[in-house]
Amino acid sequence: GQNIDQPTEMTATEGAIVQINCTYQTSGFNGLFWYQQHAGEAPTFLSYNVLDGLEEKGRFSSFLSRSKGYSYLLLKELQMKDSASYLCAVRESHSNYQLIWGAGTKLIIKP
Amino acid sequence: DSGVTQTPKHLITATGQRVTLRCSPRSGDLSVYWYQQSLDQGLQFLIQYYNGEERAKGNILERFSAQQFPDLHSELNLSSLELGDSALYFCASSSDSDTQYFGPGTRLTVL
Repeated sequence: GQNIDQPTEMTATEGAIVQINCTYQTSGFNGLFWYQQHAGEAPTFLSYNVLDGLEEKGRFSSFLSRSKGYSYLLLKELQMKDSASYLCAVRESHSNYQLIWGAGTKLIIKP
Repeated sequence: DSGVTQTPKHLITATGQRVTLRCSPRSGDLSVYWYQQSLDQGLQFLIQYYNGEERAKGNILERFSAQQFPDLHSELNLSSLELGDSALYFCASSSDSDTQYFGPGTRLTVL
């Protein structure tokens, strides 16, 4: 069946580095997305991985291992504005490319 | 600004009533998705339209319906409203199987 697991909540310190993990079980994998969502606001696209490896985009990087069904989002030089939920979503090719969403990880940044 | 617009921003109504939420996708996007997000919950996929046709259905109640018009805007109709329908309703759009971009959402409160 389809399943995506992320930690419910994480806490980190301003200026530090945090890694948010996402594991998935799905068939017909066709890419993995990370979105950021501030409370009460819309999710905003952060990154997309379809091949194994690391994709770097400024302070944010995303890693994918298809054989392990595993991804992580790495946030460096944390800022208070990074306090948000981070959603992992997997796209499946056999279901009209639907996104299967994780429940999200709430990241709390402390000064 | 994602380019996806939603109206209204807020909606307060009573149980048993019917409301219509409206979404205009990004220019050129043919796919529209509707999501429900209850307080502190994950995104629940409701339904997807592609170029006017229903493409995929998620956990959408029978009291809810949607359509996509020839100009590609979409409407989500919620009827016989219950207290539990209070939530944020997001619309997202994409070009075929590409990244989904979210509108700002409609906050529905059922009293």
